[in-house]
Amino acid sequence: DTGVSQDPRHKITKRGQNVTFRCDPISEHNRLYWYRQTLGQGPEFLTYFQNEAQLEKSRLLSDRFSAERPKGSFSTLEIQRTEQGDSAMYLCASSDWAGGTDTQYFGPGTRLTVL
Amino acid sequence: SQKIEQNSEALNIQEGKTATLTCNYTNYSPAYLQWYRQDPGRGPVFLLLIRENEKEKRKERLKVTFDTTLKQSLFHITASQPADSATYLCALVSAGNMLTFGGGTRLMVKP
Repeated sequence: DTGVSQDPRHKITKRGQNVTFRCDPISEHNRLYWYRQTLGQGPEFLTYFQNEAQLEKSRLLSDRFSAERPKGSFSTLEIQRTEQGDSAMYLCASSDWAGGTDTQYFGPGTRLTVL
Repeated sequence: SQKIEQNSEALNIQEGKTATLTCNYTNYSPAYLQWYRQDPGRGPVFLLLIRENEKEKRKERLKVTFDTTLKQSLFHITASQPADSATYLCALVSAGNMLTFGGGTRLMVKP
């Protein structure tokens, strides 16, 4: 399978713990995006990278959230001191952007439950 | 404030009929708009893209229209099938190619 992959698919944690998610984009895609989705809502943009540079962060991304894409390939999203409100599906998407329109390909998501 | 509105109520139609889903937006000037399909527990899947200077786009049984005066996009599925049952999301593209999604409309096609 050469699509976007995410790991783990499900994560249950206790309030106050730190969690880290991984996203592997489609090979050679230069852009990588993170979104968060809660039940019954559309995905909400969190942040994106072009190669290894983090170009934009949403105000939703509090200081407890950090994302990296150290070599311009896979990315990690870490949430420190998790809160119950962090429970959501975390989606990763990648694209091969060369100017103009940008079609994003999504992974299956990581479902986080904070108890 | 900026809003993207999709009908939050599920749309129930009979197999073989045309499904029409609506996406309305306010206080945006999108360069283009995209429609995605999402099945339960899965990530969204890209379906169609339409630019601001295009009125209509087609792909097999799918058709999208984009009216920048009305600030509305319509998404049609002709000859609908039970396999078309899913949630359909519209997304506007603003600066930086960041997608802003509507809440989605759930479509149920009954045999």
